[in-house]
Amino acid sequence: NAGVTQTPKFRILKIGQSMTLQCTQDMNHNYMYWYRQDPGMGLKLIYYSVGAGITDKGEVPNGYNVSRSTTEDFPLRLELAAPSQTSVYFCASSTRDRTYGYTFGSGTRLTVV
Amino acid sequence: EDQVTQSPEALRLQEGESSSLNCSYTVSGLRGLFWYRQDPGKGPEFLFTLYSAGEEKEKERLKATLTKKESFLHITAPKPEDSATYLCAVQVPGGTYKYIFGTGTRLKVLA
Repeated sequence: NAGVTQTPKFRILKIGQSMTLQCTQDMNHNYMYWYRQDPGMGLKLIYYSVGAGITDKGEVPNGYNVSRSTTEDFPLRLELAAPSQTSVYFCASSTRDRTYGYTFGSGTRLTVV
Repeated sequence: EDQVTQSPEALRLQEGESSSLNCSYTVSGLRGLFWYRQDPGKGPEFLFTLYSAGEEKEKERLKATLTKKESFLHITAPKPEDSATYLCAVQVPGGTYKYIFGTGTRLKVLA
């Protein structure tokens, strides 16, 4: 059981470039999330989805886009990368029941230069 | 403003030396408090959910407790493998997925 898989693990982008962070889960969870984690800061929610075809903004959505065409996949798109997007990005999934918390992927460390 | 504060920021313990980590919160209507463990280079791993004051949860050497203003993560007789960053998060009204994460406590257990 793989859980939540994120690719790539590391990436360096130049300012203005675009990229897609991939996230897939094999637990049949309806709910999926993208967070970013910066040093000294708590995890911040970028976007979330409650099911295929449904997405919504979190706290810090500017500069990002998402799509959810299947239950398993929830890619995060960065358009026109900026240094402020240098961060570690985590994808997570969950059931509707809060009791079991979130299952997180291992993260993507992104540097924008 | 809703806020979550974890203390201390960092903690070094000798193996077997029990201690507690604190997560204090100022929120208008707690809907759940969550503890996670995060190892370097990895994503957070879920430990516990607490819903109401007085509730306690245990897992191996860890015990989480909740009051109306704070939660404690008690670590009894820790081992070096307990070294990690421990995160707490609270779920608040204003959105089903409105969670506020603390910045974590970095725990190092020395052999």
